[in-house]
Amino acid sequence: EAGVTQFPSHSVIEKGQTVTLRCDPISGHDNLYWYRRVMGKEIKFLLHFVKESKQDESGMPNNRFLAERTGGTYSTLKVQPAELEDSGVYFCASSPGFLGGAGGATDTQYFGPGTRLTVL
Amino acid sequence: AQRVTQPEKLLSVFKGAPVELKCNYSYSGSPELFWYVQYSRQRLQLLLRHISRESIKGFTADLNKGETSFHLKKPFAQEEDSAMYYCALSAEHYNTDKLIFGTGTRLQVFP
Repeated sequence: EAGVTQFPSHSVIEKGQTVTLRCDPISGHDNLYWYRRVMGKEIKFLLHFVKESKQDESGMPNNRFLAERTGGTYSTLKVQPAELEDSGVYFCASSPGFLGGAGGATDTQYFGPGTRLTVL
Repeated sequence: AQRVTQPEKLLSVFKGAPVELKCNYSYSGSPELFWYVQYSRQRLQLLLRHISRESIKGFTADLNKGETSFHLKKPFAQEEDSAMYYCALSAEHYNTDKLIFGTGTRLQVFP
């Protein structure tokens, strides 16, 4: 079974440009998450899709970030325009189904290899 | 506020020595705690979770609600244990199970 894939693996752009990151979750996984690790800091949650719906986008830093998951399959994360502080590693993760709520166990999240974004 | 603290950025030990990677959390409800590991040139992967109460690759972690800790332990470290370790919690919300990570601890095991 193929794992979570992300493209590109590395992107170098100049401040003010636009970049689109792509994530392909494990086939059949309804949940898709985006996280980001800025150098020296913790991995931070950005948002969570359940199928094509945004379940939680509380971690999105500002309106320069736009995430989509049309059709509930792959997802894209667009940064427009990119700023220096957007540099970091962007991780995508997926999990099969949501078992949350009182007494529910959290599904294991499977991570992609990450996209390293460098904004110059 | 929900927070995970890993006080050590780097932990260096010799092969065969005991290892303890510290993790403390703050959360008012009943969190689920996890340890994720990232080996060199590999992706982040789940090592263990507190509800499983199992040992993976010789590692164990016990949730101590009184001390709000979830330290990762191994009695005898191996060179292949060298990696980046992240403690994480999943907040019990009705609509999301996002993970909140600590800053990570790099474990170096010398021969």
